[in-house]
Amino acid sequence: DQQVKQNSPSLSVQEGRISILNCDYTNSMFDYFLWYKKYPAEGPTFLISISSIKDKNEDGRFTVFLNKSAKHLSLHIVPSQPGDSAVYFCAARAYNNNDMRFGAGTRLTVKP
Amino acid sequence: GAGVSQSPSNKVTEKGKDVELRCDPISGHTALYWYRQRLGQGLEFLIYFQGNSAPDKSGLPSDRFSAERTGESVSTLTIQRTQQEDSAVYLCASSLGVSSNSYEQYFGPGTRLTVT
Repeated sequence: DQQVKQNSPSLSVQEGRISILNCDYTNSMFDYFLWYKKYPAEGPTFLISISSIKDKNEDGRFTVFLNKSAKHLSLHIVPSQPGDSAVYFCAARAYNNNDMRFGAGTRLTVKP
Repeated sequence: GAGVSQSPSNKVTEKGKDVELRCDPISGHTALYWYRQRLGQGLEFLIYFQGNSAPDKSGLPSDRFSAERTGESVSTLTIQRTQQEDSAVYLCASSLGVSSNSYEQYFGPGTRLTVT
């Protein structure tokens, strides 16, 4: 039951350019969305989040956009840096439940 | 100010043996989650605790998997009669829980389980 989908397993961008990571969800009860970043041999770390009452949240180089009608969110990183190379997971939480569902992840590679 | 810790960091076991994985959440975090990540795959939700009870066990793959939490603190994930397909990194995370407006989860480093 894949309620959160990240259809691109990998993405490669040039340093300085924009990275756009996409995420789709199916459960209309999701009301809070998060992005996590994971380096090899480490647990995921929280990056940025957005509530369903908003359509954009920005934190430095990272911006998350939410399109509720399309059940789609995206993470924009600009400018991308080689240190951003990691696996990015999209996660979602339903308002009537406290568990969290994760996508399969997208491996971002930023080339110098 | 310790984060989430997990032990052991690595575990190699023979098929058919039982294993116990431990998670120590951040102090004061009432919610605790277990996930696993198989090689080349994403995070798979297993179970979540609010306090010591588990409202959602839907992710446990089979009845060989069980988990408990005591004292609203330590949790153990037990896998009985391990199979090779159980090989994965098992990740634990904690968060402040339903009484908080923060849903951010803090992850441990994981336990890499290899079943031979």
